Amino acid sequence: QKEVEQNSGPLSVPEGAIASLNCTYSDRVSQSFFWYRQYSGKSPELIMSIYSNGDKEDGRFTAQLNKASQYVSLLIRDSQPSDSATYLCAVDSGNTPLVFGKGTRLSVIA
Amino acid sequence: ETGVTQSPTHLIKTRGQQVTLRCSSQSGHNTVSWYQQALGQGPQFIFQYYREEENGRGNFPPRFSGLQFPNYSSELNVNALELDDSALYLCASSWDGGVDEQFFGPGTRLTVL
Repeated sequence: QKEVEQNSGPLSVPEGAIASLNCTYSDRVSQSFFWYRQYSGKSPELIMSIYSNGDKEDGRFTAQLNKASQYVSLLIRDSQPSDSATYLCAVDSGNTPLVFGKGTRLSVIA
Repeated sequence: ETGVTQSPTHLIKTRGQQVTLRCSSQSGHNTVSWYQQALGQGPQFIFQYYREEENGRGNFPPRFSGLQFPNYSSELNVNALELDDSALYLCASSWDGGVDEQFFGPGTRLTVL
């Protein structure tokens, strides 16, 4: 059973701080990793993808991947109240569609 | 470019009934994946359709079935509804099954009473 684990939160950070979201996965052959943002009552929206070890930056978002530790994280710099949402980690092993974690609820306090 | 659309937006059914949910894929996409998202959970993969054929299925019973049409739109059918089927049903479209360019529709909220 392929599993993706996330802390459900809520993670509360003050406005302007760095939010750090973490995810671990069980399938060592996983190749592609995604972070989705989901506002309450809405569908998931892809915000970052990462495929190789190291960091990938896109604006205020940085995804970090460590395949040896089976760990992927998302950093949000200068957090804004509009970043308050649930963040879903998703993993693709190549032969099945995405396996999602349960998500971490982030609350940015103004 | 037209995005992924789903209908209806909300639906209320009673136990034992049957329901059909619809999804129109994004223009140019030939693959549709369906997911069930229960409250407080991540999306769970139901099945995928690629060029009108089922192309992978998650751990869902046979009362969950689907179709894909020549225009690549898709239906999800659920028979003998149970209370636990209450969830947000999401479809996502992509080209040739690729998940890195997979876009979700707005979802259908199904409530089973």
